[in-house]
Amino acid sequence: NAGVTQTPKFQVLKTGQSMTLQCAQDMNHEYMSWYRQDPGMGLRLIHYSVGAGITDQGEVPNGYNVSRSTTEDFPLRLLSAAPSQTSVYFCASSFNRGSTDTQYFGPGTRLTVL
Amino acid sequence: AQSVTQLGSHVSVSEGALVLLRCNYSSSVPPYLFWYVQYPNQGLQLLLKYTSAATLVKGINGFEAEFKKSETSFHLTKPSAHMSDAAEYFCAVSVPYSGAGSYQLTFGKGTKLSVIP
Repeated sequence: NAGVTQTPKFQVLKTGQSMTLQCAQDMNHEYMSWYRQDPGMGLRLIHYSVGAGITDQGEVPNGYNVSRSTTEDFPLRLLSAAPSQTSVYFCASSFNRGSTDTQYFGPGTRLTVL
Repeated sequence: AQSVTQLGSHVSVSEGALVLLRCNYSSSVPPYLFWYVQYPNQGLQLLLKYTSAATLVKGINGFEAEFKKSETSFHLTKPSAHMSDAAEYFCAVSVPYSGAGSYQLTFGKGTKLSVIP
């Protein structure tokens, strides 16, 4: 199993540009999430999905869109990039959405918005 | 609201010394607690988790954590630090989210561990 994969690893955007961060998992996990990691702030939840066709907002959803057309894929779209979206983005998945389910993380995408 | 607080954003220990990383939780109900590790330029990896089965939880790479309800703590320890333990460590609590039996992780701000040779 490849686990959770993310592309690209690095990206530089100009303010106002749009892009999609890709996330895929091959573990047949129902539950997927996107987090952003900023220095000294830990990880904050952007959006999550409890299954194909079902998504919901997390703690910091503004400026981001998601969709879940298949169980495997959960892309994150930046509609109009802003410098405040400079961050490291992590995708995670878990078998279920229970209280003790382990989340498996991808290697991250480091995004810089100029 | 359930949350975790990690004391110390940066901890340095000598190789072979005890590692102690502190995490305190705030919860009105029995919490489910996790420790994750992030090696440089990598994603997060589960070290261990507390699910109420046992108060002393053993994880990977020789780490363990003890759940202490009276102190609302879940500190991470390792008897002897190794150079390869240098990483950032995150404590997290599983919290109910948006109804429908869904849970999400709320993370602490992280503690960066340095190991001095």
